[in-house]
Amino acid sequence: DAGVTQSPTHLIKTRGQQVTLRCSPKSGHDTVSWYQQALGQGPQFIFQYYEEEERQRGNFPDRFSGHQFPNYSSELNVNALLLGDSALYLCASSLTRDGLTDTQYFGPGTRLTVL
Amino acid sequence: AQSVSQHNHHVILSEAASLELGCNYSYGGTVNLFWYVQYPGQHLQLLLKYFSGDPLVKGIKGFEAEFIKSKFSFNLRKPSVQWSDTAEYFCAACMNTGFQKLVFGTGTRLLVSP
Repeated sequence: DAGVTQSPTHLIKTRGQQVTLRCSPKSGHDTVSWYQQALGQGPQFIFQYYEEEERQRGNFPDRFSGHQFPNYSSELNVNALLLGDSALYLCASSLTRDGLTDTQYFGPGTRLTVL
Repeated sequence: AQSVSQHNHHVILSEAASLELGCNYSYGGTVNLFWYVQYPGQHLQLLLKYFSGDPLVKGIKGFEAEFIKSKFSFNLRKPSVQWSDTAEYFCAACMNTGFQKLVFGTGTRLLVSP
């Protein structure tokens, strides 16, 4: 049973560029959440996708956007990259039933470096 | 604002020592609580969770945590640590609203010396 997978593992971009990160949820899960983990910090919630819609959003600017596909996989897009966007981006998948989202399981993350 | 505090940023223990990592949360209303662990080179894994019921929760690898509502705390404990417990431990919380928007603490790095 495959767990949560993310691609790419590492990414280096320059300021002003755009980046797309990808996530495939654990088999049987239908909900994907994205988190940003800066060095020495705990993960911070970016947003959550369920039924191909953004269900809830954290305190991140509109430069951060996402998408969920019919197969439940998801993308995180970041436009106009800033140095401060350098972080580990984590995807977490879960199952939502009757509107309630169950425990989240995390992928290995994508390490983004902005130069 | 909702927040989670972990007071110990770095903990160093010898094998067989007892472990207690502190976690306090600031939330109004019913809260779900979690401990996640990140072993070196691995991704975040769930250790244990509390949604409701018995406030003493048992997790994997001999870990347990106690939810004390009056103290807004959810401390993680293990009676006897092993070298393989060396990892970073994160406490997390979310409102019991169904969305599971997790708020994490800053983490505690545990080093267990053999």
